[in-house]
Formats: sequence, C-alpha cells, structure tokens
Amino acid sequence: EAQVTQNPRYLITVTGKKLTVTCSQNMNHEYMSWYRQDPGLGLRQIYYSMNVEVTDKGDVPEGYKVSRKEKRNFPLILESPSPNQTSLYFCASSARGVTVLTFGAGSRLTVL
Amino acid sequence: QKEVEQDPGPLSVPEGAIVSLNCTYSNSAFQYFMWYRQYSRKGPELLMYTYSSGNKEDGRFTAQVDKSSKYISLFIRDSQPSDSATYLCAMRENTGTASKLTFGTGTRLQVTL
Repeated sequence: EAQVTQNPRYLITVTGKKLTVTCSQNMNHEYMSWYRQDPGLGLRQIYYSMNVEVTDKGDVPEGYKVSRKEKRNFPLILESPSPNQTSLYFCASSARGVTVLTFGAGSRLTVL
Repeated sequence: QKEVEQDPGPLSVPEGAIVSLNCTYSNSAFQYFMWYRQYSRKGPELLMYTYSSGNKEDGRFTAQVDKSSKYISLFIRDSQPSDSATYLCAMRENTGTASKLTFGTGTRLQVTL
C-alpha cells in the first residue's frame, strides 16, 4: 500500500529532551515536507525537501532540523523541545514538486 | 491578515443537504487550488484539484474557482454522514520553484441523520 508512515504517533516529553519524529514513504516521491497543525492557525510548513539534494526552511523552521540522506526518509529533529512546539505534526510527500501531497497519519507531540 | 481565509465552522447540516464550503485568498499568484478532507485523528487526503479558474466535478463534489474575486468553493451534493470531517482548502503559485501549499484553517462539517 502506498503510504507515508510517521512514528511515533503520540509522544509526551519534557523540555530540552531531544527527540526525532521519523517519516518514511514507499512511493519513490522526490518531494517531502513537514507541517505542523495548530488550532486557528491551520497547517504551516516547517521544512521541505525538493529532492535528496535540496532541503530548505519553510514558514516556521525555528527549533527544528531535518535530514534527507535518502529519498524515502525525512526525519524531523527537535534538538531542545519547548512547550510552544506542542502540536500535531504531519509529514507529506509528492511525486515531483508541490502538487498533490500524500500525508502521513500525524504525530501528536506534547512538550511539558 | 492571512493569505487564505476559511470559516472554521462548525457547519451542521442534515443528511441529503447541499453543502457549500468556501475560501478567500489575497495572493493573486495562486494558480493551483485544492480541497483536502481530514477525518478526526487522520492526515488530510486530497479531494479535488483544479488549475486556474472554472469548475470541476467529481461525483457528488464540485469545485469552483473565481480568480477575479479570489474566491473558491466546494459543493457537496446529497451529503452523507460519512462526509463529516474537516475540509481544508489549499493553494500554490504557478512557478517551477513553488515549494509549499498554503492552507486555510479548515471548516468542520457535521452531517446529521
């Protein structure tokens, strides 16, 4: 089944404890991106990667890092999480450029 | 002011009703317009995808784009309880280097029996 898989789906952590949210797609898509979804603010892009060689910041990159070492994986790293990073996170991919996005099921993160 | 505005609802309608969902936008460079449906505890999934102005129909769903008014709509005919979800509009510019979709905040729809 063609899909984007995120892990963990739910996580509660404490301020400052580094964490990684993994994202993997099995569709051989070039483009991958991370969004966070907050009430009243909608989906906002954190980082994106047009292909394995190109990764860049989105609208809200502060406090996040990403890595695209291979086409299928695009992990989101929070080096020192803070409470304002409590959110619902989505990874998405697309065959080429930002056209039709396929989203993962989401990862709900709570930072205490 | 947000680039894309969408009434958050909730919108409650009886089964069989015609539903109209709308978004307005301010960026005249937007050329691609999409509607995503998001069920509770799920990721968004693409419903409809149109380029520039005009209408597009897919079963019970019709998407309309009016670029002169910077206004897009999604109509759902014969609404069903299974249509209960949050509907997100999304847009992007028509450039080869476009890197993101800009989303509305979503409208929550409840279709009652």
